Amino acid sequence: DAKTTQPTSMDCAEGRAANLPCNHSTISGNEYVYWYRQIHSQGPQYIIHGLKNNETNEMASLIITEDRKSSTLILPHATLRDTAVYYCIVRVPGNFNKFYFGSGTKLNVKP
Amino acid sequence: GAVVSQHPSRVICKSGTSVKIECRSLDFQATTMFWYRQFPKQSLMLMATSNEGSKATYEQGVEKDKFLINHASLTLSTLTVTSAHPEDSSFYICSAPTATDTQYFGPGTRLTVL
Repeated sequence: DAKTTQPTSMDCAEGRAANLPCNHSTISGNEYVYWYRQIHSQGPQYIIHGLKNNETNEMASLIITEDRKSSTLILPHATLRDTAVYYCIVRVPGNFNKFYFGSGTKLNVKP
Repeated sequence: GAVVSQHPSRVICKSGTSVKIECRSLDFQATTMFWYRQFPKQSLMLMATSNEGSKATYEQGVEKDKFLINHASLTLSTLTVTSAHPEDSSFYICSAPTATDTQYFGPGTRLTVL
């Protein structure tokens, strides 16, 4: 699976949009981009995933660059409960295909 | 979304004893489940893949005789930490994919070995 690079930490003001970047310059054509988050002492929570088109759901939006070498997760109106470690993972889909977690980005949402 | 549960949520045991952790998919079936370990301030580390009806496959460096995995049914996988030592103290997390390949994670089990 392709390696991803994320900033170690980011701050965001409550109510503002949080934009979390991820670099995956060695991504291959059949690998998807997945985003998960982990709130302290809990299991990771699925947020969103995509291949090459931008995706949006009730939690977030995923913007993937045209060359697919990077992506951005957008939380449109961050709340204090969005404080968590956010993981960007690149992988080929399939139930037998594993998720390997990098170090992620600690998002601190501040009042 | 789908729900994955773990039991117990927290366990304390004496050094040398064995501890069993259960992972259940509550509203879907999973022929494959995954086990992770997470030390404080670190990321999740994949330990092994649990396969229903066949042997588990372990990541490099993970001792299969120490971390016994049994995938008893399409909704249950168990991880047994045998002869636990203080260095096995960690946060153990399981996950299971749904039919749409979305991976759902359990809430984790905090193991403390005294």
